Amino acid sequence: EVQLLESGGGSVQPGGSLRLSCAASGFTFSSYGMSWVRQAPGKGLEWVSANSGSGETTYYADSVKGRFTISRDNSKNTLYLQMNSLRAEDTAVYYCAKASGYSSGRSEYWGQGTLVIVSS
Amino acid sequence: EIVMTQSPATLSVSPGERATLSCRASQSVSSNLAWYHQKPGQAPRLLIYGASTRATGIPARFSGSASGTEFTLTISSLQSEDFAVYYCQQYNNWPQTFGQGTKVEIK
Repeated sequence: EVQLLESGGGSVQPGGSLRLSCAASGFTFSSYGMSWVRQAPGKGLEWVSANSGSGETTYYADSVKGRFTISRDNSKNTLYLQMNSLRAEDTAVYYCAKASGYSSGRSEYWGQGTLVIVSS
Repeated sequence: EIVMTQSPATLSVSPGERATLSCRASQSVSSNLAWYHQKPGQAPRLLIYGASTRATGIPARFSGSASGTEFTLTISSLQSEDFAVYYCQQYNNWPQTFGQGTKVEIK
């Protein structure tokens, strides 16, 4: 059974940093791309970032490019999102999702999310 | 960036009735289109991928179709557990993009 468990959310001041983690199990982690998708309170889904199974290929939404970094440790079956220079508009629930393929594809499975609040 | 436009924003339907949701892409996404639904306080769940293929465990009352850049999700007979927000997503190009969602509510 595929399981994705996010952690690392919390409250941070504008300009601060957080690192989110997503622990994966139930599949061969290094064989699949992974994504981060966020949802601001009461709003829709926004794709944030993705990487390939090896982690060598990465993609970012313009809204986070230069501030967020996606990475993964395939030995630990864990996906990360390093978030720097946080802004109030980054406040959201952050979901990790498993892609259907090595570098892209639909988001087949989702974690339950971790809440990030950026506020002074 | 490909813009995905869903309509209507809200759909009021009685249990047992048919619901038809639309999603339009601003340019071709081939058949790389997925539908998800999301209930309050829960993560999204994949319903349809490849525009018309049901994901594992999804009931047959859910169906998807495509015509060019227009995509449709049909729920043939709404059950109580189907009242939720529905999102389309294109995964043909980076950045992947979602529609703004359609809320299906009880009439």
